[in-house]
Amino acid sequence: NAGVTQTPKFQVLKTGQSMTLQCAQDMNHNSMYWYRQDPGMGLRLIYYSASEGTTDKGEVPNGYNVSRLNKREFSLRLESAAPSQTSVYFCASSESRSSTDTQYFGPGTRLTVL
Amino acid sequence: AQSVTQLGSHVSVSEGALVLLRCNYSSSVPPYLFWYVQYPNQGLQLLLKYTSAATLVKGINGFEAEFKKSETSFHLTKPSAHMSDAAEYFCAVIVPGGYQKVTFGTGTKLQVIP
Repeated sequence: NAGVTQTPKFQVLKTGQSMTLQCAQDMNHNSMYWYRQDPGMGLRLIYYSASEGTTDKGEVPNGYNVSRLNKREFSLRLESAAPSQTSVYFCASSESRSSTDTQYFGPGTRLTVL
Repeated sequence: AQSVTQLGSHVSVSEGALVLLRCNYSSSVPPYLFWYVQYPNQGLQLLLKYTSAATLVKGINGFEAEFKKSETSFHLTKPSAHMSDAAEYFCAVIVPGGYQKVTFGTGTKLQVIP
């Protein structure tokens, strides 16, 4: 099992450009999440998908959109990138929404917006 | 709303010395608590979790943590530090019964000195 995979690993954008971060999991998990990690701030939830066909906003959703393409894939889109979106983005998945379930994380995408 | 505070953004220990990483939580109900480890340029991995069973929780790589309700703490310990323990450690809290709204601490970077 590959677990949670993310593409690309690194990306540099200019302000105003758009891009989509891809995430896939092969653990047959129902729930998937997108986080951003900034120095000194821990991880903050951007969006999550409790199950296929549903998505909900997290703590910092502004400037982002998501798509739960199927049970395996959950993408994050930046429509018009801003320097404030320079960050490391992590995708995660869990078996369900249950608060006891462990979240499994991908290796991250390091995004720089100039 | 729940929150978690990690005391000390950087901790240095000598190889073979005790590792103690501090985490205090705030929650209106007894929470579930987690410790994650992040090695350089990787995603987060679960070290251990407390979900209201035994208050002393043993995790991977020789780490353990004790849930102390009276002190609202969930400190992470390891009796003898190894060079491979150098990483960033995150404490996280979830309120049971709801969906997976995980709140992460800001992280503690552990340096192990040979």
